[in-house]
Amino acid sequence: AQSVAQPEDQVNVAEGNPLTVKCTYSVSGNPYLFWYVQYPNRGLQFLLKYITGDNLVKGSYGFEAEFNKSQTSFHLKKPSALVSDSALYFCAVRDSGGYQKVTFGTGTKLQVIP
Amino acid sequence: DAGVIQSPRHEVTEMGQEVTLRCKPISGHNSLFWYRQTMMRGLELLIYFNNNVPIDDSGMPEDRFSAKMPNASFSTLKIQPSEPRDSAVYFCASSSQNGPFFFGPGTRLLVL
Repeated sequence: AQSVAQPEDQVNVAEGNPLTVKCTYSVSGNPYLFWYVQYPNRGLQFLLKYITGDNLVKGSYGFEAEFNKSQTSFHLKKPSALVSDSALYFCAVRDSGGYQKVTFGTGTKLQVIP
Repeated sequence: DAGVIQSPRHEVTEMGQEVTLRCKPISGHNSLFWYRQTMMRGLELLIYFNNNVPIDDSGMPEDRFSAKMPNASFSTLKIQPSEPRDSAVYFCASSSQNGPFFFGPGTRLLVL
């Protein structure tokens, strides 16, 4: 069975400071990893993905994520937070083999303080 | 591409009534997923289809829920009879093989 953990329900960061939203995963095969963002009253929007290759993945809106196989982590990062980054962030994992089932984490609310 | 299209965007109904939610996935995507989101339970996978075939419906809450995908461009999620605890936002998402999901805008359902 595959699973995703987002240990923080909420992350607060000051505008202009770097931000990190944590994610760890468990999957039997090679992982496909994703980050999504959800703004209020909107659907989830794709931010970035890791399939293979470089451990540092760059995505939309200046976000990036670092894949760490030994720690089974895929933390989302941004060098300088904007107030407009305030939203709900979801990490997701898909097993590279078998059916295309994706498991989402519980979400982390990011609050960027002006 | 218009993205994933869902209808209706909002639905208010009374307990006991039948509710049908509709989804048109992105053209060329072969996987389709129905999710439900509530404050209490977060994002829950209800069912997913691969090449129009239901693969995993273990997340469907009970027999009142059913989903169909008669062709590659259309899917429905039906609740009959509806109950107040079904109130939630229902999302449809589609993806290509190993690709990211693309979510629709959701249907906000309120059962009175």
